[in-house]
Amino acid sequence: DAGVIQSPRHEVTEMGQEVTLRCKPISGHNSLFWYRQTMMRGLELLIYFNNNVPIDDSGMPEDRFSAKMPNASFSTLKIQPSEPRDSAVYFCASSLETAYGNTIYFGEGSWLTVV
Amino acid sequence: QQPVQSPQAVILREGEDAVINCSSSKALYSVHWYRQKHGEAPVFLMILLKGGEQKGHDKISASFNEKKQQSSLYLTASQLSYSGTYFCGTVAGANNLFFGTGTRLTVIP
Repeated sequence: DAGVIQSPRHEVTEMGQEVTLRCKPISGHNSLFWYRQTMMRGLELLIYFNNNVPIDDSGMPEDRFSAKMPNASFSTLKIQPSEPRDSAVYFCASSLETAYGNTIYFGEGSWLTVV
Repeated sequence: QQPVQSPQAVILREGEDAVINCSSSKALYSVHWYRQKHGEAPVFLMILLKGGEQKGHDKISASFNEKKQQSSLYLTASQLSYSGTYFCGTVAGANNLFFGTGTRLTVIP
């Protein structure tokens, strides 16, 4: 079975450019999470969707970040405009139901470098 | 809402034991444990759902003290393959999952 699929795996972009990260959760999962990982801040939860609806976006750093989940099989995380401090690994993860009692499966991550 | 882990890093020789602690300032509904190898995604180890629950597989186990809002991960007779960064994740409210700062474990021969 396919796991969580993220694209691109690696992206290098210039400051000010728009970046779009994509995620396809595991089929049948109804919870989707976007995390950002840096050495300084560890794994930060950015946003959590349940049944395609954003439940908690309190972790989104600022208005430059936006996330959508137009259907159960696709989500995007967009940064516009990007800044060097956005450089990080962005993980998408999904679970069958809520995180309460269910395994969270992570994608391979999107490694973003903003220069 | 991020749980606090301790220690931040630990170095073990093969065969030695280690304990990693995770605590939260909020009431916890469940605790997850994950391990991440360098350059890879975090991988699930186990979930504890109830206070007093203990779980384990192989020589890795965990406990959950609901009243103290704490969980501990126990690694016994460590192997080289145990090296990595261990994260606890806590579910406190809206059924989302917040991760601790991580504990880097290095097992040397």
